[in-house]
Amino acid sequence: GDSVTQTEGLVTLTEGLPVMLNCTYQTIYSNPFLFWYVQHLNESPRLLLKSFTDNKRTEHQGFHATLHKSSSSFHLQKSSAQLSDSALYYCALSDNTGGLSGKLTFGEGTQVTVIS
Amino acid sequence: GGIITQTPKFLIGQEGQKLTLKCQQNFNHDTMYWYRQDSGKGLRLIYYSITENDLQKGDLSEGYDASREKKSSFSLTVTSAQKNEMAVFLCASSEGNTGQLYFGEGSKLTVL
Repeated sequence: GDSVTQTEGLVTLTEGLPVMLNCTYQTIYSNPFLFWYVQHLNESPRLLLKSFTDNKRTEHQGFHATLHKSSSSFHLQKSSAQLSDSALYYCALSDNTGGLSGKLTFGEGTQVTVIS
Repeated sequence: GGIITQTPKFLIGQEGQKLTLKCQQNFNHDTMYWYRQDSGKGLRLIYYSITENDLQKGDLSEGYDASREKKSSFSLTVTSAQKNEMAVFLCASSEGNTGQLYFGEGSKLTVL
């Protein structure tokens, strides 16, 4: 079946420094959708970024990610971390094909804490 | 915009008890999901449904039942609550084209 790997479970970094969260995936589908969801404390997860286009950078709220099918990766980056970026980040994969709703497979999540 | 409403927000039950969580969405989405969230284990899919009266098992379906009697609602039943399944249960629905999920606020289960 599909799988998503997030190698960092916990990340602590200083405000103003760059952020990079790793995400790699395995799937039999040639056109997967990849997502990053963010969950702040006591809130539900919400979409941060999504992509299905190979080698195209997608950006939102200062974060960016590029889907690289050659390496099965969708790493999340931000040039300068803010205190408000402290949250749980999930990478997810959809096996959506043919216009039907696909179920998502989530990674285990990366807990990010930004300190001043 | 739409909203997903989960009830109850907090559910306390006894070990062995049958407990039900409810979820309503007004997005008019076809597909709905139940995920379980445990600290350090991410989001694990319990059941999903692609249309009214459809049920599909996820990776964690054992010990749970689900029901989709209407397009707008999706309920989850813990058939016999165990202390090791205290967790937050998240309901979600998805857009047809991309699978992007919209989540409810979660229901926290405590088993005494």
